[in-house]
Amino acid sequence: AQRVTQPEKLLSVFKGAPVELKCNYSYSGSPELFWYVQYSRQRLQLLLRHISRESIKGFTADLNKGETSFHLKKPFAQEEDSAMYYCALLALTDKLIFGTGTRLQVFP
Amino acid sequence: EAGVVQSPRYKIIEKKQPVAFWCNPISGHNTLYWYRQNLGQGPELLIRYENEEAVDDSQLPKDRFSAERLKGVDSTLKIQPAELGDSAVYLCASSLVTENTEAFFGQGTRLTVV
Repeated sequence: AQRVTQPEKLLSVFKGAPVELKCNYSYSGSPELFWYVQYSRQRLQLLLRHISRESIKGFTADLNKGETSFHLKKPFAQEEDSAMYYCALLALTDKLIFGTGTRLQVFP
Repeated sequence: EAGVVQSPRYKIIEKKQPVAFWCNPISGHNTLYWYRQNLGQGPELLIRYENEEAVDDSQLPKDRFSAERLKGVDSTLKIQPAELGDSAVYLCASSLVTENTEAFFGQGTRLTVV
């Protein structure tokens, strides 16, 4: 079965603290994984994808096939990082399968 | 560029009434998606179009939902009749299928069925 699991509905940290948003997936093929973000009153938008191996707004995510994980990390959280974060898997049918999302709250 | 445009932004209807949502994708994008997002959940695909052809509608409840994408550009999603459980945000997204496919989402239509 193709599935994306985000175990935390809410993650609260203080500004400057490290952040890790967890994502685990279930997929029989070679996965293509993404992190999407939705800031307050804005549309869902792509944050980063694993094939690019890039850092966006200080965030990175490494695909770990052994643990079937794609956790999103940032060493020092900022208040403007507060948002909903969705992990997504691109299935062979070009269908994006989303997790349930994690709300990140960064307090000053 | 405006990005993916959806209308209306909000809709409140009584159960058993029909409702329609409209989506204008990004110019040149051949792939269009309709997703439904229930409260506290991630988006779930309802239907995907490649140009004007529906290539994946396996998750579309065909007894009451219908969609069309005439001329391979704009799309409409219709529910008739609406049920209380249809209350959700309906998202449209579009993409240009290349090696680095990125789906661009609209603002969504929040439907409330009372």
